[in-house]
Amino acid sequence: KAGVTQTPRYLIKTRGQQVTLSCSPISGHRSVSWYQQTPGQGLQFLFEYFSETQRNKGNFPGRFSGRQFSNSRSEMNVSTLELGDSALYLCASSGGYEGGEQYFGPGTRLTVT
Amino acid sequence: AQSVTQLDSQVPVFEEAPVELRCNYSSSVSVYLFWYVQYPNQGLQLLLKYLSGSTLVESINGFEAEFNKSQTSFHLRKPSVHISDTAEYFCAVSRASGGSYIPTFGRGTSLIVHP
Repeated sequence: KAGVTQTPRYLIKTRGQQVTLSCSPISGHRSVSWYQQTPGQGLQFLFEYFSETQRNKGNFPGRFSGRQFSNSRSEMNVSTLELGDSALYLCASSGGYEGGEQYFGPGTRLTVT
Repeated sequence: AQSVTQLDSQVPVFEEAPVELRCNYSSSVSVYLFWYVQYPNQGLQLLLKYLSGSTLVESINGFEAEFNKSQTSFHLRKPSVHISDTAEYFCAVSRASGGSYIPTFGRGTSLIVHP
């Protein structure tokens, strides 16, 4: 099976702009989660989508949003970018196994200038 | 609420030496425990997991971890490390909630293997 894919891999944006990141989960996985990884805060959970519905949400401002399509592909959007949004954004899919083990994509490196 | 503490941010070690990466967690309910590894410029990969049963779990590349409920720990060990084991290691805990699992990750431990 193909792994989790994320596009683009690298992105440079200017403060105030918005950005959309894309994630394709492993075939058959219906749960997609998003994480923000920074040196200062580590790995932080953004939200989880399952069957096109947001099922869980982390503690991030409303500028961070997402959605999931009927084919389980997911997008994450960040509006009004701030310098502090510079991070590696990781997408992970899960097949509903006990414990919720996650399968991660390579990430999108977002730099906000 | 649940939390994960990885006691060492960086662990330097020489090749072929043993290593232990420490992880402690806190949770008011039963949890599932994981170790993930992240190589440079890559996402995280599942290394091993504890769901139930035997408290000692092993990975295919020689790592093992032991679940200790009384000490709320899930330390990762390897008897002899290789240069290729240099990476960031994350301990994670998840709990069941409404049909899904809520994960919490530790801050990570950077394992640096010197020749």
